[in-house]
Formats: sequence, C-alpha cells, structure tokens
Amino acid sequence: GENVEQHPSTLSVQEGDSAVIKCTYSDSASNYFPWYKQELGKRPQLIIDIRSNVGEKKDQRIAVTLNKTAKHFSLHITETQPEDSAVYFCAAKGNNRLAFGKGNQVVVIP
Amino acid sequence: EAQVTQNPRYLITVTGKKLTVTCSQNMNHEYMSWYRQDPGLGLRQIYYSMNVEVTDKGDVPEGYKVSRKEKRNFPLILESPSPNQTSLYFCASSSYQGQVVNSPLHFGNGTRLTVT
Repeated sequence: GENVEQHPSTLSVQEGDSAVIKCTYSDSASNYFPWYKQELGKRPQLIIDIRSNVGEKKDQRIAVTLNKTAKHFSLHITETQPEDSAVYFCAAKGNNRLAFGKGNQVVVIP
Repeated sequence: EAQVTQNPRYLITVTGKKLTVTCSQNMNHEYMSWYRQDPGLGLRQIYYSMNVEVTDKGDVPEGYKVSRKEKRNFPLILESPSPNQTSLYFCASSSYQGQVVNSPLHFGNGTRLTVT
C-alpha cells in the first residue's frame, strides 16, 4: 500500500517568514494529494489539495507543489501568522484509500 | 449544515466492556472511514466503507468492528476494549464517482477514548 513520509516533524518559524513542509510517497499510481490542518483539540480540516495532472496550486498564502517524477510534494506557507500554528498532515490517495503522513507541528513565533 | 457527527466526544471505560462509537453524515457520501490518532503516529486508518454493506480493513483493524447498514451511519464497535485502544478517534466521509475517491475527506469532531 501507499506509504507517506513527512519531514520535518517540527518546524518553528518567525512570524512573517515562510514555512515549507515536504512529503514523499511510494505509490506512483497515487493521483490525489491533500493537506490537512489540525488546530489543537480540533478535527483535521482540508486547506489545499492537488491532483496529479497539476504541478502547482495556490490559495492566498498557501501553495502546494507536486513532483511526480521524484514522488514528493510540498506545502508552502508564506507570511506566516500566529494562527498558522497547528499540526499539518499530508496525504496521498492510492487504491481508494488516503494514506496520511505522521504530521508536522508548525510553531509560528510572534 | 453539512457535517459528520460523532458520539460521544469523550468516553472512559474499563477493559473488556463492549462499546460503540457512532458516526453519522448528512452529505449522502458513499465513502466513510475510521481513523485513530496517536502522538507521533499520525492518522491511521482502522476500517473504511465504499458503500452500504461494503466494508474493508485499513491499516490497524485488530480489535475493531464496523457495520454499514445505512448510507449515513458507520458505527465503530470495540467488542472487548483494551488499554492499547486508548486513543483519539475520527470518523470521516467523502464522495466518490465510480472507483475513484475524488473529493476531500470531511472529519467529525473526534472521540477521545480512555480504556483503563
């Protein structure tokens, strides 16, 4: 089955700087790559997703890039704000199942 | 409002006492799934269902049962809970067309289970 690795496990950034989280996946047939944000004590919520026929997608301060050849995709958050502090999960869909990475704790330091 | 509803939010029980965590969605989604979340391990899939009466094991199905008698409901059953099942559980649903899950997962608010 699909295996998703997520790095780094913890990331601290100064407010206003950019944050980048990288994920790799193992199944070359995977074609859907969502990112979820989980604030403390809350449920994961989708923040952005990308399909395999697209290389990059942006939504205001967040963007996702996909490199199918290398089987990795990244989340980019620009101009980070304190409310961006959360755990971020990447996922990859293969065989009708979403496999999640272990999560990345992002801490934005005011 | 479109949502996935789990109950209860918190549950403390003792080893061996059967329990059920309910999950219901009002979005007419075909696909439903259960995950458990443990520190450092992320979200691990327990069971999933592609449609009514169709269920499959995820990555960590041992000790759990599910059923999908109706499209909207997908209860998680622990026949004989053990302390290693202490965890945060999430139910999620999604729509799909044909054989492809093509829309985002919508998560419930979670159930924090403690087994003593």
